[in-house]
Amino acid sequence: DGGITQSPKYLFRKEGQNVTLSCEQNLNHDAMYWYRQDPGQGLRLIYYSQIVNDFQKGDIAEGYSVSREKKESFPLTVTSAQKNPTAFYLCASTKWDSLDEKLFFGSGTQLSVL
Amino acid sequence: SQQGEEDPQALSIQEGENATMNCSYKTSINNLQWYRQNSGRGLVHLILIRSNEREKHSGRLRVTLDTSKKSSSLLITASRAADTASYFCATDRGSQGNLIFGKGTKLSVKP
Repeated sequence: DGGITQSPKYLFRKEGQNVTLSCEQNLNHDAMYWYRQDPGQGLRLIYYSQIVNDFQKGDIAEGYSVSREKKESFPLTVTSAQKNPTAFYLCASTKWDSLDEKLFFGSGTQLSVL
Repeated sequence: SQQGEEDPQALSIQEGENATMNCSYKTSINNLQWYRQNSGRGLVHLILIRSNEREKHSGRLRVTLDTSKKSSSLLITASRAADTASYFCATDRGSQGNLIFGKGTKLSVKP
């Protein structure tokens, strides 16, 4: 059953702590994305990666870091430098150079600050 | 930056009625997409319309695009309670998959 798996579903962060959100896909997609969603808002792009070992900053990359060591995985670390991390985080992927340009999304991780 | 802006922000209708949501954007696009999000879940792609298309249908969905007005509309016909969700438009910015999302329209369909 192909898809994108995000874990955990809920995550709590203490002051000064780094936390890592997992995103794994078995769709054989080339490109992966991390979006942040605040209540009543649209999605804002944090980071994206089009190929392994390469990634680019999105609109709100400050306080976040990513890695893309494997095609299937694109973890997001929320660092202590991100002062307002409470949000719903969504991972997405797409097949590069496909005529079908739609994004496939995971079910999200809700991050809250303790 | 957010390019797509949906209107209205919230819409409440009765089952069986049609629901129309609008999206405006600012710069030229290659395509425009509509997504649906159930509460607390990820987004699901509904339909994509390219800049050289004016109208597209998919089941009970009808999407129009007017590039001269930089606007799109999503019509859901014969709505059902299960259509209750938030609907987002998204425009590309030249890099495939790198989309700009609007703030969404929250649709409530009452049985």
